[in-house]
Amino acid sequence: QKEVEQNSGPLSVPEGAIASLNCTYSDRGSQSFFWYRQYSGKSPELIMFIYSNGDKEDGRFTAQLNKASQYVSLLIRDSQPSDSATYLCAVINSSASKIIFGSGTRLSIRP
Amino acid sequence: EAGVAQSPRYKIIEKRQSVAFWCNPISGHATLYWYQQILGQGPKLLIQFQNNGVVDDSQLPKDRFSAERLKGVDSTLKIQPAKLEDSAVYLCASSASSSYNEQFFGPGTRLTVL
Repeated sequence: QKEVEQNSGPLSVPEGAIASLNCTYSDRGSQSFFWYRQYSGKSPELIMFIYSNGDKEDGRFTAQLNKASQYVSLLIRDSQPSDSATYLCAVINSSASKIIFGSGTRLSIRP
Repeated sequence: EAGVAQSPRYKIIEKRQSVAFWCNPISGHATLYWYQQILGQGPKLLIQFQNNGVVDDSQLPKDRFSAERLKGVDSTLKIQPAKLEDSAVYLCASSASSSYNEQFFGPGTRLTVL
């Protein structure tokens, strides 16, 4: 079992719709969770981080964390073509206190 | 504010050769990270420095990889000798504290080993 799992996609969403990206993790003691966006050929950039159960909203982005289910998601409202990218989920491993990335989900917003 | 600088941006070498990458973090950032990102995968943390001390290098293949951060500023990552499976983008990142929510990535160095 991978430590951080994501569906590789591609996930195709029409412009203006809600894109839902999901991530599961294996370490029940993980405390910190991150979503990064990575455009093709570019380096990752942090979009959101969340530490507590529930929702955290920032503009069109909402991160959702459910520690009991070991599940974190990212919702993108009013999807734009510029949101087309790979989205990386990352988790801080509780035992080693280091960051572990998933392989990413490729999102494509179709006009 | 200038971002994280890396050089070279691209490097092609043959297996068994040596290669070195350079990183200059954002001014004042105490923590520096090196990641390896293989095509189709997420970044893998190789080594983390706090000033010029190593915080974590548990995923650094120490038989061939080495890294140093002299004077707590610039850093170099070296591979000697390179293998085909080392082909990847090597990303440097820095943060003011040891908090990952303040981490900024450089543009990366794309290494191809033939």
